[in-house]
Amino acid sequence: RKEVEQDPGPFNVPEGATVAFNCTYSNSASQSFFWYRQDCRKEPKLLMSVYSSGNEDGRFTAQLNRASQYISLLIRDSKLSDSATYLCVVTNAGNMLTFGGGTRLMVKP
Amino acid sequence: GAGVSQSPSNKVTEKGKDVELRCDPISGHTALYWYRQSLGQGLEFLIYFQGNSAPDKSGLPSDRFSAERTGGSVSTLTIQRTQQEDSAVYLCASSLTGTGTYEQYFGPGTRLTVT
Repeated sequence: RKEVEQDPGPFNVPEGATVAFNCTYSNSASQSFFWYRQDCRKEPKLLMSVYSSGNEDGRFTAQLNRASQYISLLIRDSKLSDSATYLCVVTNAGNMLTFGGGTRLMVKP
Repeated sequence: GAGVSQSPSNKVTEKGKDVELRCDPISGHTALYWYRQSLGQGLEFLIYFQGNSAPDKSGLPSDRFSAERTGGSVSTLTIQRTQQEDSAVYLCASSLTGTGTYEQYFGPGTRLTVT
């Protein structure tokens, strides 16, 4: 079993739709959680950190469920520019970041 | 300020040759990471430096791969006797410290093609 698992997608949604991605992690000792965004043939960039209480940044909401060992990302009012691959990232006990395989989102007009 | 830079941006080499990839982290970042990303795949961790030392080399795929960091700054990843399966984008990232709680800033990557 991979340490961090994501549905690879693609998720094809119309502009304005709400879309949610989940990510599961296997190491219960994981301490920090992030969502990174990677555009095609570009490097990953931090989208947002994920806090235990959940956090929101504009149209983006991240949630953490430690009991079930998953994190989620919700995107409201999808824009064409949201089309990208979203990488779930977990810090393990050794403070190393482990990246999921990514979920590809395609927002269509 | 300047971000993470990597060179070369593209490298085509013949099977069996050695290649050296360079990473210049953000000034003041003590932690530096190397990853590999094959086409359509996720990031594969290779090695992590805290200062000049590498506490975690567990991701290096074989003894043909080595890396060093000098002066707590520039790092080089060397691949000896390249194989076709080494073809990938090699990404370098740096962060303020290696505690895992700080954002990693990625360079644009080096696209390696082994023919």
